[in-house]
Amino acid sequence: SYELTQPPSVSVSPGQTARISCSGDALPKQYASWYQQKPGQAPELLIYKDSERPSGIPERFSGSSSGTIATLTITGVQAEDEADYYCQSGDNSSTYGVFGGGTKVTVL
Amino acid sequence: EVQLVESGGGVVRPGGSLRLSCAASGFTFDDYDMSWVRQAPGKGLEWVSGIDWNGGSTHYVDSVKGRFTISRDNAKNSLFLQMNSLRAEDTALYYCARVVATRPSVYYFDSWGQGTLVTVSS
Repeated sequence: SYELTQPPSVSVSPGQTARISCSGDALPKQYASWYQQKPGQAPELLIYKDSERPSGIPERFSGSSSGTIATLTITGVQAEDEADYYCQSGDNSSTYGVFGGGTKVTVL
Repeated sequence: EVQLVESGGGVVRPGGSLRLSCAASGFTFDDYDMSWVRQAPGKGLEWVSGIDWNGGSTHYVDSVKGRFTISRDNAKNSLFLQMNSLRAEDTALYYCARVVATRPSVYYFDSWGQGTLVTVSS
């Protein structure tokens, strides 16, 4: 079955840049999306179609994709960005939701 | 404002059944595909099932095929998940999510409910 692979954790100091990778064989043909989930809350869409940001999402969140790797970048990390982040895409056979395992971002 | 409100969760014994519901408001329900996504305690997100705008096409993760059935009632702006033959590994918070789909390459979840907890335990 199709899988998306993320690092389990990323640590970053306030004001620095955090980058979270997401690897998947279908990503050259499927758009990636990213979600933020804070403890006790539902996930929230951060990025869709690799790099588009929904209204209300701060500009410090950006996305990119090249080949089999999608990347979420948080520029100028703030304490409130401490959360779990999930990438998601379809796969080439079913185009349904497949999630990465999630990355816990810790703000030092 | 888009609102998705799940209900129907609870504690059930292995082998039992539950029916989850999701009440949608704030948007034209039958303009959108919908999905159920679950999260086991302390674990990541797992897509469970999806249904297209008119219920004509449904899809499931392999682990629930033959046990779960997704459906919708567009007249009542409601999404459902009938869960039969429940197992301990189905224990999770179940989210209802609105889907944005432009096949073959775009499929994402732009709105989420707060979830309903299903616990399968003897």
